[in-house]
Amino acid sequence: KAGVTQTPRYLIKTRGQQVTLSCSPISGHRSVSWYQQTPGQGLQFLFEYFSETQRNKGNFPGRFSGRQFSNSRSEMNVSTLELGDSALYLCASSNGGPRDTQYFGPGTRLTVL
Amino acid sequence: GIQVEQSPPDLILQEGANSTLRCNFSDSVNNLQWFHQNPWGQLINLFYIPSGTKQNGRLSATTVATERYSLLYISSSQTTDSGVYFCAVGGGGSYIPTFGRGTSLIVHP
Repeated sequence: KAGVTQTPRYLIKTRGQQVTLSCSPISGHRSVSWYQQTPGQGLQFLFEYFSETQRNKGNFPGRFSGRQFSNSRSEMNVSTLELGDSALYLCASSNGGPRDTQYFGPGTRLTVL
Repeated sequence: GIQVEQSPPDLILQEGANSTLRCNFSDSVNNLQWFHQNPWGQLINLFYIPSGTKQNGRLSATTVATERYSLLYISSSQTTDSGVYFCAVGGGGSYIPTFGRGTSLIVHP
C-alpha cells in the first residue's frame, strides 16, 4: 500500500495570505488527522476528520479549518497567516478507531515571512 | 487531558551503546505508540504498545499500563538511530493522541 502523501512539501507565504495543504491517506483509511509541530509547542493536534465529518478539534483559532472529501483526501486551510504559523504540518491517517495505529505523512513545512 | 512526560530530553551516545527512553502518562490509556522522527521530519511508527512487550530487531518496548509508563530500549545503537523519539498516548473513547516533548537522540560514530 502507498503511504500517506502530503503536498506541497515546502511552502513560503507572507503574512496575511492564506494557504491550503493537502493530504492523501492510506487507501482504505477513513480518518485523517492534522498536527502542527513547532520547536516551542511541540506536536499539537489540530483536528480530525472521519468520513467527511470533523470528529475532533484541537485548541486552535478559527483561522485554521479543514475538510475531507468522499475519497478520504483531506485539506487544511489557514487564513490570514501570521508569523507564528510557521511550522511543520503533519497529517496522519488511520482506520479511525481508538486502538488503531496512526501513520504519518512526510509533512509540509510552511514558512511565513 | 492526559499528560505525557518523556525522559531524558536529550541523549548522546557512542555507536554500539544501549539506551532506555521512558514515557510516563497521567491516566489510563487505550492506545500508546512510539515514533521516531528522522532529520527530515518524517514520523515513523516503531511500536503500537498499549500494554505488554514487543521487539523489533534492536528495538524493543514495554508498557506497564497499571503503573502508567512505557519504555523504549535501543540496543547496539547506530548513527541512523539519531533523531527524536516520541511517545503518543490516547485514552477514553476516541483516539486523539497526546504527544510527549520527545527524546532527542544523537549517536556518534
